[in-house]
Amino acid sequence: EVQVVESGGGLVKPGGSLRLSCEVSGFTSSYSMNWVRQAPGKGLEWVSSISSSSSHIYYADSVKGRFTISRDNAKNSLYLQMNSLRAEDTAVYYCARVIDDSSDVWGKGTTVTVSS
Amino acid sequence: DFQLTQSPSILSASVGDRVTITCRASQNMGNWMAWYQKKPGKAPKLLINKASDLQSGVPSRFSGSRSGTDFTLTITSLQPDDFATYYCQQFDSYSRGFAFGQGTNLEIK
Repeated sequence: EVQVVESGGGLVKPGGSLRLSCEVSGFTSSYSMNWVRQAPGKGLEWVSSISSSSSHIYYADSVKGRFTISRDNAKNSLYLQMNSLRAEDTAVYYCARVIDDSSDVWGKGTTVTVSS
Repeated sequence: DFQLTQSPSILSASVGDRVTITCRASQNMGNWMAWYQKKPGKAPKLLINKASDLQSGVPSRFSGSRSGTDFTLTITSLQPDDFATYYCQQFDSYSRGFAFGQGTNLEIK
């Protein structure tokens, strides 16, 4: 079965760090992957993308310099290291497979809450 | 900056109605438009990509079209399960990022 499962969310204080993980199964590592988030009561926001070989990495301006995306194809895993967290980073974070400039396989998401 | 302007933000309709949601791109990024359905507490679901390609398992009452930089999602004969929020999304080939529209909340009239 093709699926992705996110983990690593939680409650963190402003300025703190958190590392999200996404375990993929049922498909090869030949796909680019996205992180997308949805803040409470807000719409979907793309966060970051990484190509299959990690040679191409892109970030939304809102997280550039604070978040780092990476992947370990041997472990079928994708990561998002989040530093200098702010209240506005509070959201459900989704991991998604990229195909034809869209995302066809999504996880159920992991919740990040940034609050003192 | 590349932007997608989605309208309307709220759409009230009844079961059996035909509805249309529009997404206007600020620049021509080609035919690579995707549409998603999002329900509270659930992951987004890809309905259509490449402007009009229906994903496997998505009912045929959903369809997508393009006219220039205007893209449309049409749902014919609304079913109770269709009431949700819909988002358009396109890849910005200049910034290499993925842009989403603001969303359309399709609610029961």
